[in-house]
Amino acid sequence: GAVVSQHPSWVICKSGTSVKIECRSLDFQATTMFWYRQFPKQSLMLMATSNEGSKATYEQGVEKDKFLINHASLTLSTLTVTSAHPEDSSFYICSARDPRDYTDTQYFGPGTRLTVL
Amino acid sequence: GDSVTQMEGPVTLSEEAFLTINCTYTATGYPSLFWYVQYPGEGLQLLLKATKADDKGSNKGFEATYRKETTSFHLEKGSVQVSDSAVYFCALIDGSGNTGKLIFGQGTTLQVKP
Repeated sequence: GAVVSQHPSWVICKSGTSVKIECRSLDFQATTMFWYRQFPKQSLMLMATSNEGSKATYEQGVEKDKFLINHASLTLSTLTVTSAHPEDSSFYICSARDPRDYTDTQYFGPGTRLTVL
Repeated sequence: GDSVTQMEGPVTLSEEAFLTINCTYTATGYPSLFWYVQYPGEGLQLLLKATKADDKGSNKGFEATYRKETTSFHLEKGSVQVSDSAVYFCALIDGSGNTGKLIFGQGTTLQVKP
């Protein structure tokens, strides 16, 4: 099946610094990737849709200047949390659509735990 | 807009018990339906899916049937194990605007006791 990886799996940073999270599709080329945020004991909240070679589409209420998304290649999308603050601490999960799968199934990465001190 | 509703959790069962987690949906058209499972501290894993009415998705002993008449996609397993303890999410593909977005239910926590 389609495999998606994320790096790092966890990160701790100081308030005011920026953090970059990578999402890679390992065995397929993903023209579309998605970024989610998950709070404890809650469902996933879609932050943005990342399309290779074009600007990301952000969901309402998500600050695009704070959560920078770059999808520079067919196997890599990055999420940069700029000037992070403690309220940005969360579990960030990416997913990718495998274009070989006509059902539009999304395959998820293992997630990145961000803690901002 | 499209939406997914799951039964409230947590669901607590003894090992080898029968599992049902209810999921109903509201959608325009005929969306693809999914069950994902999330183990503690991990991302989501696709458990099973169904793309049209009356399709049955199955994997690892879990099953769910796409019921158009009742707009439901209930998850079942005949005999649960302790290792099945996780959070289960029902989801559908948003059929409006062809965005490919997933609409998730709120998740149901399953706890299986030995």
